[in-house]
Order: sequence, then C-alpha cells, then structure tokens
Amino acid sequence: SYELTQPPSVSVSPGQTASITCSGDKLGDKYACWYQQTPGQSPVLVIYQDTKRPSGIPERFSGSNSGNTATLTISGTQAMDEADYYCQVSDSSTGGVFGGGTKLTVL
Amino acid sequence: QVQLVESGGGLVKPGGSLRLSCASSGFTFSDYYMSWIRQAPTKGLEWLSYISSSGTAIYYADSVKGRFSISRDNAKNSLYLQMNSLRAEDTAVYYCARRRGSSSYYFDYWGQGTLVTVSS
Repeated sequence: SYELTQPPSVSVSPGQTASITCSGDKLGDKYACWYQQTPGQSPVLVIYQDTKRPSGIPERFSGSNSGNTATLTISGTQAMDEADYYCQVSDSSTGGVFGGGTKLTVL
Repeated sequence: QVQLVESGGGLVKPGGSLRLSCASSGFTFSDYYMSWIRQAPTKGLEWLSYISSSGTAIYYADSVKGRFSISRDNAKNSLYLQMNSLRAEDTAVYYCARRRGSSSYYFDYWGQGTLVTVSS
C-alpha cells in the first residue's frame, strides 16, 4: 500500500516562512493536495493539484511537488495559521491516502 | 453555498451496526463523486470509501471492506454509510466529503462530522 510521511511537528516564528514536507515513493508522479485542520474543526483544502489554491485561500499558501517530496509553504506565517496540516494523494490500488499530519506551531 | 451535514453517529456496542447519513445542499449532488473519511480521537485522517455520481462505481479501504457499505440517493441529495460488525477501533469522527478530480482526486468540501463511539 502507498504511504505518505510527514514530520510530526514544525515550528515557525510569526512573519517567517514555514515549510511542511510530505514524502512518498515517486510522489512527484502524482498530484498532491493539502488540508488545514484547526482544533475541533473539519479539514479545509488549501492546495490541490500540487500548486493550486482554492478560492478564498490566502496567497501566502503555496505548494510544490517533485521527486519523492511535496512541500506546503506558508510565507509570512500568521498566528491563525497554527493548525494541523495533512497531505493527500490518490492511488489506483489503495484509494485515497493521507499523510500522518504535521502540527504547525507559530511561536 | 455548499453544505454537507452528517448525522447518525452515536454510541454502539462492539459487533453492532450504525447507519450514517450526509445531507447535501448548494450544489448538484448527482454530478459529484462523494467519499467518507474518518478521524480517530487525536489521530490523523483515514479515507474510507468513495462512490461515483451514479452510484455504479464504489471503492473501499481495506480496513472497512466487507463491513461498511456506501450508498447514495440522488433524489434526496444524500449519501450514506452502513457500518456493520463495528469494533472499538472504528471509534472516530466520520466526515462526508465531496470528491473532485478523476484518477487523481481531492476533497474540496467537508461536513462537520459525526462522532461514532464503539464501546461496551
């Protein structure tokens, strides 16, 4: 089965750039997406098809995907960005696959 | 605006059954694939199943195959998840989500979730 690996936690200072990685075998051959989940809330799509932002998602959120790693980058990180972030791909043999999640702390 | 509202969660004994519903509004339900995704307490997201717009194509994660059954009623704009032979490890918040994309897909709208607790 296909697996995605994320770091459990990432810390960033306000105003700085946060990078959250997601690793998987030949991940760059698939489309990756990212979700943000704040405590007690449902996940929100922030990046899809590697680099696209849904309507309403701030420009400071961006994504990339190459080789074995997809990356979510948050530029000028704000306190409101503190949340759990999940990467996800779909695989023909195993369906939807989520990474384990990364807790972003803004301090 | 797109809305997805899950219902049907609750406390059930191991081995029991439960049927979840997801009522949709704000979009043409019959045009979209739909999915169920769950999140155990303090854990990550786990994709469970999808169903095609017409209901003819269905896919399950190995963890629920043979125990859970997804279905939909396009006339009622509703998605369902029949859960049988429930286990303690099925305890989770269950979300319905609208699926976008074809071979490579993602979930652009999620419901608020419904909590299922499996305990004696």
